[in-house]
Amino acid sequence: AQRVTQPEKLLSVFKGAPVELKCNYSYSGSPELFWYVQYSRQRLQLLLRHISRESIKGFTADLNKGETSFHLKKPFAQEEDSAMYYCALLLTGGGNKLTFGTGTQLKVEL
Amino acid sequence: NAGVTQTPKFRVLKTGQSMTLLCAQDMNHEYMYWYRQDPGMGLRLIHYSVGEGTTAKGEVPDGYNVSRLKKQNFLLGLESAAPSQTSVYFCASSYPITGELFFGEGSRLTVL
Repeated sequence: AQRVTQPEKLLSVFKGAPVELKCNYSYSGSPELFWYVQYSRQRLQLLLRHISRESIKGFTADLNKGETSFHLKKPFAQEEDSAMYYCALLLTGGGNKLTFGTGTQLKVEL
Repeated sequence: NAGVTQTPKFRVLKTGQSMTLLCAQDMNHEYMYWYRQDPGMGLRLIHYSVGEGTTAKGEVPDGYNVSRLKKQNFLLGLESAAPSQTSVYFCASSYPITGELFFGEGSRLTVL
């Protein structure tokens, strides 16, 4: 079965501390993974995708096929990073469908 | 550009009532989706469409119907609302293949 697991519902860190949001997936083929973010009172939006291997707002995510993980990392958390983060897996079978994890609420404290 | 627009944004229904959520996008996207968001469940796909006149079931389609009569619009219908359908509903659209979905602001539905 194709599944995305985000084990942490809430992650609280202090400003300036490193952040790691965990994401594990279950998929039999070659996965395409994404991180989406929802800031307070804003729309859910794409943060980054693994195929582009880019850093967005200081966040990076590396696909580890051996551990079936796609953890989101940032070396120094900022207050504006507080948001809900969703890991998502592109499903096979056409339609560009995404299956989402349950989300992790990141809270950056001063 | 407005992007993806959902109406209404809030609605309270009684059990057994019917209603339709409207999603409109102005980006000329082929694909459109309806998701529901529930606490602890993340986003779950209800139905989707890969083009005008086409619809397909997602992960949790029961109790919902959809139509895509025009490319820019995707309607989600509840024929007989149930309390289990209390949720926040999100519409999204995308170009084929990219994996980048553009979301609406959400519609909060409460069924009493």
